[in-house]
Amino acid sequence: DQQVKQNSPSLSVQEGRISILNCDYTNSMFDYFLWYKKYPAEGPTFLISISSIKDKNEDGRFTVFLNKSAKHLSLHIVPSQPGDSAVYFCAASAFGSARQLTFGSGTQLTVLP
Amino acid sequence: GAGVSQSPRYKVAKRGQDVALRCDPISGHVSLFWYQQALGQGPEFLTYFQNEAQLDKSGLPSDRFFAERPEGSVSTLKIQRTQQEDSAVYLCASSQRDRYTEAFFGQGTRLTVV
Repeated sequence: DQQVKQNSPSLSVQEGRISILNCDYTNSMFDYFLWYKKYPAEGPTFLISISSIKDKNEDGRFTVFLNKSAKHLSLHIVPSQPGDSAVYFCAASAFGSARQLTFGSGTQLTVLP
Repeated sequence: GAGVSQSPRYKVAKRGQDVALRCDPISGHVSLFWYQQALGQGPEFLTYFQNEAQLDKSGLPSDRFFAERPEGSVSTLKIQRTQQEDSAVYLCASSQRDRYTEAFFGQGTRLTVV
């Protein structure tokens, strides 16, 4: 049973437009959420996080939105750049614990020039 | 070092061979994690260390998998009698704290068992 789901395996957007990546979770104990970006042959790189006491967190071009009632979070990238093309993973943990991050299966974002 | 370092980057093992994968975490990071990533999937938790203590090994798939961090810094993940289903990327990560903090990942070791 997948506790963190990324239902879109891939997404293509034009350079300069908004990219929206979605993630759903089922475990009500999750209270800390992270997004990672991964380029081929590299490890995941941390992008942005949000705790359940917030519904929005911004960092430059990246904004994460959390809807606790829907158990849904999304990552917005504005404006999208070709260098943003990568696989994006959503991850979640209970009690903010870094011990066991549960990852989604990832979404391949392609930003077209 | 500046980031989490893993070696080797690639390892090809014959079925039945033992392998050892090394992880050098970011200096000063107390917490260290190992994850396994199969092709097309997200990373899956294997085990967690706080300093030299292995506090959680619930994700290790079998008793052929063993991890250690004897001095609270470098960690080694050992797989005995490798099998084809062990083929995956093994990722190591470290973090400064145990809670509400990001984990920094290394580049991973791609293990192929033939």
